[in-house]
Amino acid sequence: GAVVSQHPSRVICKSGTSVKIECRSLDFQATTMFWYRQFPKKSLMLMATSNEGSKATYEQGVEKDKFLINHASLTLSTLTVTSAHPEDSSFYICSASRGLSYNEQFFGPGTRLTVL
Amino acid sequence: GNSVTQMEGPVTLSEEAFLTINCTYTATGYPSLFWYVQYPGEGLQLLLKATKADDKGSNKGFEATYRKETTSFHLEKGSVQVSDSAVYFCALTPNGGSQGNLIFGKGTKLSVKP
Repeated sequence: GAVVSQHPSRVICKSGTSVKIECRSLDFQATTMFWYRQFPKKSLMLMATSNEGSKATYEQGVEKDKFLINHASLTLSTLTVTSAHPEDSSFYICSASRGLSYNEQFFGPGTRLTVL
Repeated sequence: GNSVTQMEGPVTLSEEAFLTINCTYTATGYPSLFWYVQYPGEGLQLLLKATKADDKGSNKGFEATYRKETTSFHLEKGSVQVSDSAVYFCALTPNGGSQGNLIFGKGTKLSVKP
């Protein structure tokens, strides 16, 4: 149980286009979902936290107009990278937790974004 | 601020060797400490955790003890297997673990050779 999937696993796009990444909790209802970004040989950095039906809370330094997050249901959150540029190339990872208080986060396998 | 430092990899060991991956942290308050493991092609999985000083987390033969005096949470296993090959992340949540505040180290890649 507690499986989180991400789609696509890998995407290549042209500069200036937008890319949507989906994060799904397959066998549980995720009240809260998180989006992380990982640069090569660096830590995972939390980008934003989203609760179902609410606006996402973004970490300092993350552009909310650049990285649009939607958490429309208890099993799906999406991250849209708008007007992508090469510096947005990275590994994006989502996670999901069951409850409002601290609960274990279950991680997706990640999405590799390459912007040409 | 809060941060996690773990040893640079990659670490390459022979099967049945002893494993130590060092992790030290900086945190205000009373953090909870975690080790996550990422097997090839999969998402991060919680391996073990400790929520207060002197607690020992253990799972699948891995152990780590929360050492407040040395601000460390080193991961150990007495006899590694090829199936332990993965990337290991040390992490903390400040002040007992408010959701979403996982702060990760850079990860250490472990390769175990038969």
